[in-house]
Amino acid sequence: EVQLVESGGGLVQPGRSLRLSCAASGFIFDDYAMHWVRQAPGKGLEWVSGISWNSGSIGYADSVKGRFTVSRDNAKNSLYLQMNSLRAEDTALYYCAKDSTAGPVSTSGWVDYWGQGTLVIVSS
Amino acid sequence: QSVLTQPPSVSGAPGQRVAISCTGSSSNIGAGYDVHWYQQLPGTAPKLLIYGNTNRPSGVPDRFSGSKPGTSASLAITGLQAEDEGDYYCQSYDSSLSGWVFGGGTKLTV
Repeated sequence: EVQLVESGGGLVQPGRSLRLSCAASGFIFDDYAMHWVRQAPGKGLEWVSGISWNSGSIGYADSVKGRFTVSRDNAKNSLYLQMNSLRAEDTALYYCAKDSTAGPVSTSGWVDYWGQGTLVIVSS
Repeated sequence: QSVLTQPPSVSGAPGQRVAISCTGSSSNIGAGYDVHWYQQLPGTAPKLLIYGNTNRPSGVPDRFSGSKPGTSASLAITGLQAEDEGDYYCQSYDSSLSGWVFGGGTKLTV
């Protein structure tokens, strides 16, 4: 059974940093691209970042480019999101998401498994 | 403002049919990129409903169907049931943004 368990969320002041983690199990982690998708309270889904199986290809939404860094440790079956210079508009539930496609971040891929999310609140 | 445009809400009576549109542009749906649909029931994580424009994962009832005519896509739900109430999102890829994009979501009321 595929499981994605996020952690690291919490309350943080504007301008500070936070690192999210996602522990994956139930599939061959280093075969698949992975993503972070967020959802602000009462709002829709927003793709944040994607990373290929070997970290060779990485993409970011314009809203987080230059502030967030995605990474993965295939030996630990883990995905990470380093979030710097946090803003109030980064407040959201952050989902770890498995790409349906093995290998790169696919232009035709979709999310076939979602975690339950970790809540990040940016407020003074 | 989402790159993919969906109606904010749709509604229908039990047993009826509704359709949710997802309108894009020449850099995403119109460029031929696939569209996928997700259902998010209250208080839960999203769930894949349709992939590759028209395909249903195992376990998704055939009341749900997808189509992709031109620069838009559509999700149809027939035989509406109370448990279908929730939010529905389309997703594709955008070549100008070099990343995935989601629609703004549509709230379905039964």
